[in-house]
Amino acid sequence: NAGVTQTPKFQVLKTGQSMTLQCAQDMNHEYMSWYRQDPGMGLRLIHYSVGAGITDQGEVPNGYNVSRSTTEDFPLRLLSAAPSQTSVYFCASTYGENGELFFGEGSRLTVL
Amino acid sequence: GNSVTQMEGPVTLSEEAFLTINCTYTATGYPSLFWYVQYPGEGLQLLLKATKADDKGSNKGFEATYRKETTSFHLEKGSVQVSDSAVYFCALRGGGGGSQGNLIFGKGTKLSVKP
Repeated sequence: NAGVTQTPKFQVLKTGQSMTLQCAQDMNHEYMSWYRQDPGMGLRLIHYSVGAGITDQGEVPNGYNVSRSTTEDFPLRLLSAAPSQTSVYFCASTYGENGELFFGEGSRLTVL
Repeated sequence: GNSVTQMEGPVTLSEEAFLTINCTYTATGYPSLFWYVQYPGEGLQLLLKATKADDKGSNKGFEATYRKETTSFHLEKGSVQVSDSAVYFCALRGGGGGSQGNLIFGKGTKLSVKP
């Protein structure tokens, strides 16, 4: 069972570069979300989606874009990377508003 | 708004010691409460949950009771093992759909268990 798959696992960027973190799930979950994890900060919600074609902002959306063209995929785009975006990013999905969140293994991003 | 506060770590225990990690919350309405665990190099996994007051969630020897009167959901285990070394996150989900369905996490507590 693949579950939630994130790519890449590691990435180093220079300030100002753009990139996309990929997230795919094979559980037919309607709800998907992106979190970032920083030391001493726990996990903070960046963006989320309750279904294909529907996205909304979380707690820390600035500097990130998302789209949801299919149920399976929920990519996170960094338009112009900044050192403050150095973090570990987690994608998660669930089958409903009360369901268990299933997490990917994370993507560690370093912005120089 | 909704928030979760959990005890600062790191916590270091000897094998077979008793574990308590405190978690308190602030929320309107009737939230669901969760404990997630993150093993080194991995994503988060659901450890246990409780969806209404006085519910007790349990899994792998861990327990937590949803106490509405004290707005708490403390994690306990009677005898920890080295394999329990991980980061533990308390989380809350508010009632209702949309943004209220999102999980709000505490900052995490790192547990190290020594043999």
